[in-house]
Amino acid sequence: DGGITQSPKYLFRKEGQNVTLSCEQNLNHDAMYWYRQDPGQGLRLIYYSQIVNDFQKGDIAEGYSVSREKKESFPLTVTSAQKNPTAFYLCASSISGVNNEQFFGPGTRLTVL
Amino acid sequence: AQSVTQLDSQVPVFEEAPVELRCNYSSSVSVYLFWYVQYPNQGLQLLLKYLSGSTLVKGINGFEAEFNKSQTSFHLRKPSVHISDTAEYFCAVSGNYGQNFVFGPGTRLSVLP
Repeated sequence: DGGITQSPKYLFRKEGQNVTLSCEQNLNHDAMYWYRQDPGQGLRLIYYSQIVNDFQKGDIAEGYSVSREKKESFPLTVTSAQKNPTAFYLCASSISGVNNEQFFGPGTRLTVL
Repeated sequence: AQSVTQLDSQVPVFEEAPVELRCNYSSSVSVYLFWYVQYPNQGLQLLLKYLSGSTLVKGINGFEAEFNKSQTSFHLRKPSVHISDTAEYFCAVSGNYGQNFVFGPGTRLSVLP
């Protein structure tokens, strides 16, 4: 079955540690996205990538980093510079083109203790 | 810049009653409009989308939405809701000049027995 996988589902880290969230897709989509979701605030775009080896900052990129070495993979690193990292993180992908729907993974809930 | 407003943060409704979830957008260019549903601790799933053509769009699970350009609205409706429709609903807009998706803050639909 084609789709997007995110792992792990739940992640706990101590304050000050970097942590990497995995996102893999087998839909052959060129574009991939990372969103952060907080209660009552909808989805906020962290980073996006339209093509391999290229990515752009979204609205809240500070404290995060990404890489896009393969078409299928778009990992997100939450660094110690992110002041409030506890949130639900969603990865999405789409065919290139702004009117194409985004397909979402199941999400990773990160809790920083 | 595009923006999306969902005026109702929470909508409680009794089972088998009709429901309308409101979405208004602002954009200076042509837009593409989407409704997504999110069940607890899951990713987002597309309900329906408007790209062009008929302003009445039918989606999955018996939902439909109507694009009203003069009122810049894209309200979501269902004539008779079920308990299983309890979820968070997000309206989103994208444009045709390279803009990314912009999501509304979401509306939590609670269907009561």
